[in-house]
Amino acid sequence: AQSVSQHNHHVILSEAASLELGCNYSYGGTVNLFWYVQYPGQHLQLLLKYFSGDPLVKGIKGFEAEFIKSKFSFNLRKPSVQWSDTAEYFCAVSYSGSARQLTFGSGTQLTVLP
Amino acid sequence: DAGVTQSPTHLIKTRGQQVTLRCSPKSGHDTVSWYQQALGQGPQFIFQYYEEEERQRGNFPDRFSGHQFPNYSSELNVNALLLGDSALYLCASSRGLRDDGYTFGSGTRLTVV
Repeated sequence: AQSVSQHNHHVILSEAASLELGCNYSYGGTVNLFWYVQYPGQHLQLLLKYFSGDPLVKGIKGFEAEFIKSKFSFNLRKPSVQWSDTAEYFCAVSYSGSARQLTFGSGTQLTVLP
Repeated sequence: DAGVTQSPTHLIKTRGQQVTLRCSPKSGHDTVSWYQQALGQGPQFIFQYYEEEERQRGNFPDRFSGHQFPNYSSELNVNALLLGDSALYLCASSRGLRDDGYTFGSGTRLTVV
């Protein structure tokens, strides 16, 4: 079965620190990749997505992610985090032929200290 | 505003009972997917409805069923509730069967006691 792994369950950073959250998926075929964010008490929001083309994808709020096909990875990065980035981050994958069903990782809770 | 409306926001049911959750998709969206998010976990796909038909189903028992109405809104029904059904149930809408990112609702928190 396809799976998505997020290696960091909880990350704590100080403001202005750089962020990288890992995401690996298990499927070797064509995939679409997503990062969603869930701020406290709010709904899941799309941060960025990758379908094809340039493997470096830029999203909202200064986030970016790099798709490395050979490593089955789609890591999320931000050069300088803010307190308002405190949230839970989910990596998700949809696989060719899956009728756009999303498979999510277990999430990474990011806490940014002021 | 998520654009996707779910009701109710919270619900407490007794084991063995049945529950119905409701979802109105974002304007312009005609496809509805349901996800279950247990505490500390990522959302898990339950099923997807398009053109009033179930198009895809995840690894959930038949106790979980759904429906989509002509106005694209949807219901999720769970029969014979178990304690393990306690979770946040999320509805996500999209346009057609395209895969360009879903819009999620804020969810219904179901507690089974």
